[in-house]
Amino acid sequence: GAVVSQHPSRVICKSGTSVKIECRSLDFQATTMFWYRQFPKQSLMLMATSNEGSKATYEQGVEKDKFLINHASLTLSTLTVTSAHPEDSSFYICSAKGQLLVEQYFGPGTRLTVT
Amino acid sequence: SQQGEEDPQALSIQEGENATMNCSYKTSINNLQWYRQNSGRGLVHLILIRSNEREKHSGRLRVTLDTSKKSSSLLITASRAADTASYFCATDESGGYNKLIFGAGTRLAVHP
Repeated sequence: GAVVSQHPSRVICKSGTSVKIECRSLDFQATTMFWYRQFPKQSLMLMATSNEGSKATYEQGVEKDKFLINHASLTLSTLTVTSAHPEDSSFYICSAKGQLLVEQYFGPGTRLTVT
Repeated sequence: SQQGEEDPQALSIQEGENATMNCSYKTSINNLQWYRQNSGRGLVHLILIRSNEREKHSGRLRVTLDTSKKSSSLLITASRAADTASYFCATDESGGYNKLIFGAGTRLAVHP
C-alpha cells in the first residue's frame, strides 16, 4: 500500500513557540491531505482538508490562524501550530489521498507536548 | 464534528472468542471504513465497504453494512491477544470531498 510519513514523530516545545509538522506521501501524488487531532483515549477529529495549491478548508471550531496548513506540492503538506499552549498538546495525524484513490493513507502521527 | 457512534466503548474477551463492534452514522455515505490503532500509534486500515455492498470479508474480519439503518458491524473471529487495540469506523460522506468522519471507537482487550 501507499506510504505516508510524518516528521517529527515526537516534539516537545515551550509555550508560546511555534512547531511545524511535515506530512509526506512517499510513493504517490497526494492531491488531498487531511489533518486530524487526537486527544488521549479519544477519537480522531478532522481539523482541515488541504488540496495541493489551494487554501485549506478548516472544520468548524478550528482556528486557521493558529493551525497554519500549507500544501505546496503533491507530496508535502505542513501543519504549523503557532504560539503553542499546553492545551494544544495532542497526537496529530495526517492522511493523504491520490486523485484516483478511494482510500486515504495515514501517517504514523506526531505527538506534540507543550510545556 | 463526530458523526459516528460506536458500541461498545470497551470490550474485554478471551483469546479464541469472537468480538463484535457496532457503528452507527447519520448521513448518506460513499463508503465506510474500519481502522485499528494500537496505543499511541498510527492507524491501520482494515477494510472498506462501499454503500452498495452489504457484507465484506478479509481474513478473520467480517464487516456488514446496513444503509437503511445507517449502521455497520465489525466481527473479528477467533481473536488473538495481538488484536488488542482500538477500532474505529469512519464514514466517507456523500458530497463530503472524501473527508472521513470517525466514530468514537471501541477499545478491545483480548486476554490470553
